[in-house]
Amino acid sequence: NAGVTQTPKFRILKIGQSMTLQCTQDMNHNYMYWYRQDPGMGLKLIYYSVGAGITDKGEVPNGYNVSRSTTEDFPLRLELAAPSQTSVYFCASSSRQGGEKLFFGSGTQLSVL
Amino acid sequence: GIQVEQSPPDLILQEGANSTLRCNFSDSVNNLQWFHQNPWGQLINLFYIPSGTKQNGRLSATTVATERYSLLYISSSQTTDSGVYFCAVRINSGYALNFGKGTSLLVTP
Repeated sequence: NAGVTQTPKFRILKIGQSMTLQCTQDMNHNYMYWYRQDPGMGLKLIYYSVGAGITDKGEVPNGYNVSRSTTEDFPLRLELAAPSQTSVYFCASSSRQGGEKLFFGSGTQLSVL
Repeated sequence: GIQVEQSPPDLILQEGANSTLRCNFSDSVNNLQWFHQNPWGQLINLFYIPSGTKQNGRLSATTVATERYSLLYISSSQTTDSGVYFCAVRINSGYALNFGKGTSLLVTP
């Protein structure tokens, strides 16, 4: 079972570059999330989606964009990368059924230099 | 927003010891989960426990929602238990989980 799959695992960007972090899940979950984790900190919510075509901002959305055209995919776009966006990014999904447990991808380690 | 405080921030145990990790939260919640982040960074869901008590092997968790805290018990700890343990909660009107800063656990042989 694949679960939540994120690509790439590692990436180095130059300041001002753009990129898309890919996330796909095969559990037919309606809810999907993007979190970032800075060293020694918990996870902070960037964006979330409650279904295809529906997205909303989390705690730290500035500098990011998302889209949700299908149930399976929830890409995160970084525009004009800045050093403050150096972090580990996690995609997650959950369902209202089954107790709403949150399932995470393996993370993307991003450095902006 | 809701405040999620975990204690202790760091913990070192010898293999075989027991420990209790605590999570305090500042508002009523309808979702509380415990996660383990292993040394390779992977986040694993341990418990979905908005109230009551659950057990899974050497791990158990108790949430007292009316008093706004949850406890994670680790018995007979093993080196593979090392990592960071996160508590995450969701308020009744929210959609997403809010995470504490975690408890970093090191179990030594």
